[in-house]
Amino acid sequence: LAKTTQPISMDSYEGQEVNITCSHNNIATNDYITWYQQFPSQGPRFIIQGYKTKVTNEVASLFIPADRKSSTLSLPRVSLSDTAVYYCLVGAPTGGGNKLTFGTGTQLKVEL
Amino acid sequence: DAGVTQSPTHLIKTRGQHVTLRCSPISGHKSVSWYQQVLGQGPQFIFQYYEKEERGRGNFPDRFSARQFPNYSSELNVNALLLGDSALYLCASSLGGGGTYEQYFGPGTRLTVT
Repeated sequence: LAKTTQPISMDSYEGQEVNITCSHNNIATNDYITWYQQFPSQGPRFIIQGYKTKVTNEVASLFIPADRKSSTLSLPRVSLSDTAVYYCLVGAPTGGGNKLTFGTGTQLKVEL
Repeated sequence: DAGVTQSPTHLIKTRGQHVTLRCSPISGHKSVSWYQQVLGQGPQFIFQYYEKEERGRGNFPDRFSARQFPNYSSELNVNALLLGDSALYLCASSLGGGGTYEQYFGPGTRLTVT
């Protein structure tokens, strides 16, 4: 499994755009990049998944450069409710199972 | 539609005791996975079950066991509890047994071992 490196914490203010970068230098050809969000005392929530270039949904955008050795989760105009831990996961879903490997994540704190 | 449900919400046990945690997946989901999350760490994979069969097992001792029932609900059992078993236990469900990283997590059961 590809190892990921994320900042331990980030601070932002309401209304700003937040970009969280994840490094995954040894990503394999068939690996996908997936981001989860977790609020205190709740289970993680799937945010977005991508393989290359750019993916956008109603919550976030995921930017993946051509070499795929890193990826950036972009949260537009954050609010206080976006304060959470964000996890970057890299791996290949296989028929053998759905195991997710979480790191320690990035604690995002949004202030007024 | 109801999401993943887990019971109980909180539990306090004594060292050496046994505990059973329960999970009901989203309707139509056939796969259930269990994770342990210690404070300050990301969730760690314990088991996955699909169609009542074990599909994956994480690096946990044999004191941990699980099963899945015909209605796709699941139980996680932990024997001979240790202080280090204190954690948030999360259940996640998905439609199939593999091929997806999009899983739906329940709120978890907070287990405290004293």
